[in-house]
Amino acid sequence: GQNIDQPTEMTATEGAIVQINCTYQTSGFNGLFWYQQHAGEAPTFLSYNVLDGLEEKGRFSSFLSRSKGYSYLLLKELQMKDSASYLCAVRDRGSGYSTLTFGKGTMLLVSP
Amino acid sequence: DSGVTQTPKHLITATGQRVTLRCSPRSGDLSVYWYQQSLDQGLQFLIQYYNGEERAKGNILERFSAQQFPDLHSELNLSSLELGDSALYFCASSPQRRGGPNSPLHFGNGTRLTVT
Repeated sequence: GQNIDQPTEMTATEGAIVQINCTYQTSGFNGLFWYQQHAGEAPTFLSYNVLDGLEEKGRFSSFLSRSKGYSYLLLKELQMKDSASYLCAVRDRGSGYSTLTFGKGTMLLVSP
Repeated sequence: DSGVTQTPKHLITATGQRVTLRCSPRSGDLSVYWYQQSLDQGLQFLIQYYNGEERAKGNILERFSAQQFPDLHSELNLSSLELGDSALYFCASSPQRRGGPNSPLHFGNGTRLTVT
């Protein structure tokens, strides 16, 4: 099985930078995904890491360290619309070919 | 718009009843996944189908069942409903191409089930 931990809540100011951490334990790691979910809406895909290092996508970047079982999502130049829940998800070879196991999410509140 | 369609958007029913949730995957996607999201548990994987066959099973209760039809749409059947079954039920799809384990899941807008 897997254990995925991320902070429950974070707050930040518009224009700032925020880092959301995720730690995981899995026996057959096969990729880590970050999703954004606004309240009552569908999760939307943000980023994917399978090798160590940083993946950059506009204002969002995601980092992975497989040896430490650790990832973070970095959000720059925060905007009010970035207020949402951010979900860390892990793909594990043992749990199925392509299923994702999700953490409980980090609720980010961006204030003016 | 993810291209994944779920119906209905909302469903209100009584305990003991049975409901069916429907999902149409993105065009070309062969895999369908069902997830349950409640406030305290987060997104919980229920079951996956690939091209009509069950591929993986998660924390799905025996009262729940699913299937994927030849046209690739899927249905999730929930029976003997209990108050605790009230949740958002999401369907997701992926192409699951050979050699493509990095393909993300694309989620529909969900069905909000309220059991009273």
